[in-house]
Parts: sequence; structure tokens; C-alpha cells
Amino acid sequence: AQKITQTQPGMFVQEKEAVTLDCTYDTSDQSYGLFWYKQPSSGEMIFLIYQGSYDEQNATEGRYSLNFQKARKSANLVISASQLGDSAMYFCAMREGFGGSQGNLIFGKGTKLSVKP
Amino acid sequence: DTGVSQDPRHKITKRGQNVTFRCDPISEHNRLYWYRQTLGQGPEFLTYFQNEAQLEKSRLLSDRFSAERPKGSFSTLEIQRTEQGDSAMYLCASSSPRSYNEQFFGPGTRLTVL
Repeated sequence: AQKITQTQPGMFVQEKEAVTLDCTYDTSDQSYGLFWYKQPSSGEMIFLIYQGSYDEQNATEGRYSLNFQKARKSANLVISASQLGDSAMYFCAMREGFGGSQGNLIFGKGTKLSVKP
Repeated sequence: DTGVSQDPRHKITKRGQNVTFRCDPISEHNRLYWYRQTLGQGPEFLTYFQNEAQLEKSRLLSDRFSAERPKGSFSTLEIQRTEQGDSAMYLCASSSPRSYNEQFFGPGTRLTVL
């Protein structure tokens, strides 16, 4: 079974509008972390935002916010006021284990976001 | 503070040849990770080091793959007897003991096996 599921292979959004990228996860651990990374066409992976399983408030970083719904096991990324430079692949990822005890990230297949002018 | 660097950026080799990639993490980052990314997929974990100790290896890391981090600084990933299925982007990342949550990725090495 997939640990991270991103059901949207591609998304379009109009510049300056908000967009939500979906992510659901599967784990039996009580302690885990959820991440979003951006990968532009240049190939580098850029860390955007992190949410810990025990964090009660949704994480926010500038225009990025993570809509964390623990009971539904979803961790959707919301990008507000989209910019042309936001066009890229977006990957949701999870790390299981407390305090980074398991080092590796498990990634989804990604969503390609295209921002239209 | 320079980022994670990887060398080479591109490698084309013939099937059956051995290849070696190098990763230099951000200085003072004690954790170093290797991932593999094929076209249209997310990165897949291969292995990671804490200092010089290799703490975890994925089942994806067959016996043709070996990774080292001899002095706890740079790391090498060697693939022996390459196969066409090894063609992928090999990504290296590092993280600081102050925040293991954030892994900083390098630009990757794109391997093409002919």
C-alpha cells in the first residue's frame, strides 16, 4: 500500500489565486512528520513546510500553509496568491518515527502545478 | 554557507561499467541521505548516514550499490555493473542535528546507462 498518495497529477491555477494540493498518508506510527517540497524544472528539491503529528496548529510559512487533518490522514498544501514562479512539481513526504529516529523521507508521486498569467 | 553539492551533474555510461558519485553536504550537517528519482516519480530513499555510520539501507540498494562516508564529511555512491534500469537522478541531502526536519537537497547527478 502506498504510504503517500497524491491524487492530482496536474493542476492549473490562475495567477494571484489560491490553490490546494492534496496529500493523504498512511502510517501506524503515532509520531511522524509531514513535509512538502517543491521541485522546479531545474531539478533541485526545495523544502517548503513541515508539520509534526503532535502539532495542534496548522503549519504556515509565508504563502504556504499545511491543512492538517489527522483523523482523515490528510496534509494538503495551500498556496495563496499564486505566482508564475510557483509553477513546478510539488511533492508531499512523510518521515515516520519520533524525533527523526527514522531518517528517510517517503515521497508521493507529485503534483505538477502550472500557474497561468 | 554553501549548499549541498554533487559531482558530476551528469554521467553517461555503458551498461556493465562502474560509476561513482560524490556528495558534499553542508558543513556541520551530520546526517547525509541518498535518494533515487526516476522520471515521473518522487524520490525514493536509498540510504543514510549519521556521521560516518550508515544507519539505514533501503531494499532498493542492491548488492551492486555501495555507499560510504569515511570521515563523516563527503559521501560516495558507487554502482557496479550498471544496468539500464539504474538510469535515474541520484539526489543527495543533508540535515543538521539542530533540525533533522529539514533536509537540504543537492542538485542531483543524472545517470544515463546506454
